[in-house]
Amino acid sequence: DADVTQTPRNRITKTGKRIMLECSQTKGHDRMYWYRQDPGLGLRLIYYSFDVKDINKGEISDGYSVSRQAQAKFSLSLESAIPNQTALYFCATAGGEGHYGYTFGSGTRLTVV
Amino acid sequence: QKEVEQNSGPLSVPEGAIASLNCTYSDRGSQSFFWYRQYSGKSPELIMFIYSNGDKEDGRFTAQLNKASQYVSLLIRDSQPSDSATYLCAVRVDSSYKLIFGSGTRLLVRP
Repeated sequence: DADVTQTPRNRITKTGKRIMLECSQTKGHDRMYWYRQDPGLGLRLIYYSFDVKDINKGEISDGYSVSRQAQAKFSLSLESAIPNQTALYFCATAGGEGHYGYTFGSGTRLTVV
Repeated sequence: QKEVEQNSGPLSVPEGAIASLNCTYSDRGSQSFFWYRQYSGKSPELIMFIYSNGDKEDGRFTAQLNKASQYVSLLIRDSQPSDSATYLCAVRVDSSYKLIFGSGTRLLVRP
């Protein structure tokens, strides 16, 4: 099993729909992150969390919300999806190895039509 | 706005050559530096990290850091076609441990 699991892998949704992307990890890391990746723009941070009670906005949080249900679970929600939220979304975790580099999930490809 | 800049490429090298990938960053307080490899449609994979000025070697990979000039580079020796991927430079700038990523350099190794 993967250390960081994202579901779903692919999703097509309609404009205005609410959608949740889920992330779970077995690495025991305390830090979890949500990024989106767009061609030519690289990875941009949406939200990050240090523990269940510590949630922080990243550089592009508008239109998104998150929930840290447990140390191992961090969900990203699009309250009312719009086409420019079409992107590849990655969850990542950090901690434990000392260098605090990220371990990424396999990604969710989201298309909003 | 803290920035990490990379040439988008593609950087094309023949098999067996040395590929040199470069990255500059804007925040002098940056603490740690990472190189990720990302194959098309896949998630980024950590291949190197470096904290201190100088070189750090791991197999065919060497990371180089120059804090005075605010650049970090990645050298790939004996490049193989399987090294063809996008290489992302990432910088940690503060105690939050969040990373700022460059937009990546696409490397193409020609057989």
